[in-house]
Amino acid sequence: QKEVEQDPGPLSVPEGAIVSLNCTYSNSAFQYFMWYRQYSRKGPELLMYTYSSGNKEDGRFTAQVDKSSKYISLFIRDSQPSDSATYLCAMSAGAAGNKLTFGGGTRVLVKP
Amino acid sequence: DGGITQSPKYLFRKEGQNVTLSCEQNLNHDAMYWYRQDPGQGLRLIYYSQIVNDFQKGDIAEGYSVSREKKESFPLTVTSAQKNPTAFYLCASSNTGVGEKLFFGSGTQLSVL
Repeated sequence: QKEVEQDPGPLSVPEGAIVSLNCTYSNSAFQYFMWYRQYSRKGPELLMYTYSSGNKEDGRFTAQVDKSSKYISLFIRDSQPSDSATYLCAMSAGAAGNKLTFGGGTRVLVKP
Repeated sequence: DGGITQSPKYLFRKEGQNVTLSCEQNLNHDAMYWYRQDPGQGLRLIYYSQIVNDFQKGDIAEGYSVSREKKESFPLTVTSAQKNPTAFYLCASSNTGVGEKLFFGSGTQLSVL
């Protein structure tokens, strides 16, 4: 079983809908949680960064972390065709090296 | 502009050949990383370095080598010992504090001829 699980999708939604993404993990030592957006054949771009449990909002994006359930979520409101990409969750225990463990990514398609 | 530059964008390797992927950053970050991405899979750590002249193996270091002679540069060599080198390679950098954010380059696609 992988340390971080993420549904590969694709997740198809109409423009303007809410996109809901999530990851589950097994390592209780993870404390730092990130969401990256990756367009095809490009480098991942950091979208959201959260420490420990709780919610964080940035514009149309909301990240939630529930450490008790080992579950993290990303919500995208008012989705746009430009949000069509692969979304990767990543997490770290914060130990030396800041090594990240990634989920496999969810492909999202926002249809006009 | 500050950022991470990877080159080349596309690279082809013949059987038995070593190839080197370049990664340069001007973000003044101490730490640098190499990840491998296969289709439909997450990123897997190959090597990382937190300081010049020092580096550590990641989860899939076999068949790869690195050097860190300058703070700005962290080249990755894919050796002939790596039997399945076709993948998308990503370089990243960060500061070395706990929980620091990683920033990525635009990647190099390596394919076998």
